[in-house]
Amino acid sequence: QQQVKQSPQSLIVQKGGIPIINCAYENTAFDYFPWYQQFPGKGPALLIAIRPDVSEKKEGRFTISFNKSAKQFSLHIMDSQPGDSATYFCAASNTGNQFYFGTGTSLTVIP
Amino acid sequence: KAGVTQTPRYLIKTRGQQVTLSCSPISGHRSVSWYQQTPGQGLQFLFEYFSETQRNKGNFPGRFSGRQFSNSRSEMNVSTLELGDSALYLCASSLGGVGDTQYFGPGTRLTVL
Repeated sequence: QQQVKQSPQSLIVQKGGIPIINCAYENTAFDYFPWYQQFPGKGPALLIAIRPDVSEKKEGRFTISFNKSAKQFSLHIMDSQPGDSATYFCAASNTGNQFYFGTGTSLTVIP
Repeated sequence: KAGVTQTPRYLIKTRGQQVTLSCSPISGHRSVSWYQQTPGQGLQFLFEYFSETQRNKGNFPGRFSGRQFSNSRSEMNVSTLELGDSALYLCASSLGGVGDTQYFGPGTRLTVL
């Protein structure tokens, strides 16, 4: 079964908007939660990551919000730009270093 | 530093054949993981090799196998190909420690006819 559930499947926002992508997990052994960005024809690239001992992490225009009790985490993209149009994947890993990925969200930012 | 390279980039095979994909990790990285990416399924973990040993394995049939060489390069083999094996196969390398960043290659696009 899908260890990490991601929604929505696709998202369209206007330039400057704040798209939010959500992920949920069940396995409490997960202790590392990265987000990846993938452009067509390329492999995924690490965007930002968080550990469960913090509730929020910001890097530039990208923010992860983490809710340990609800077992949910989300990615917010501030002031979104057309160049942010890509597929975004959330993931989770445990101490065994095995990564589980969400099914991806296709983001389109309209100029 | 050179990134993760995968060869070939594209491959067309017919059902029943076998295929070998190659992955060269970033210099110094000892862990190589393989993923299958299909629309709607996202990235499905196949297996991870660390220092020539399989350290983790996903839920794929035995037709999918891999190995890692002493220079950390890795190969993935799929035998008796099925139509459903058509996918983008990605490898990712890392230093191999817990939570270490995985760096992905561009993938090999496999089409099974």
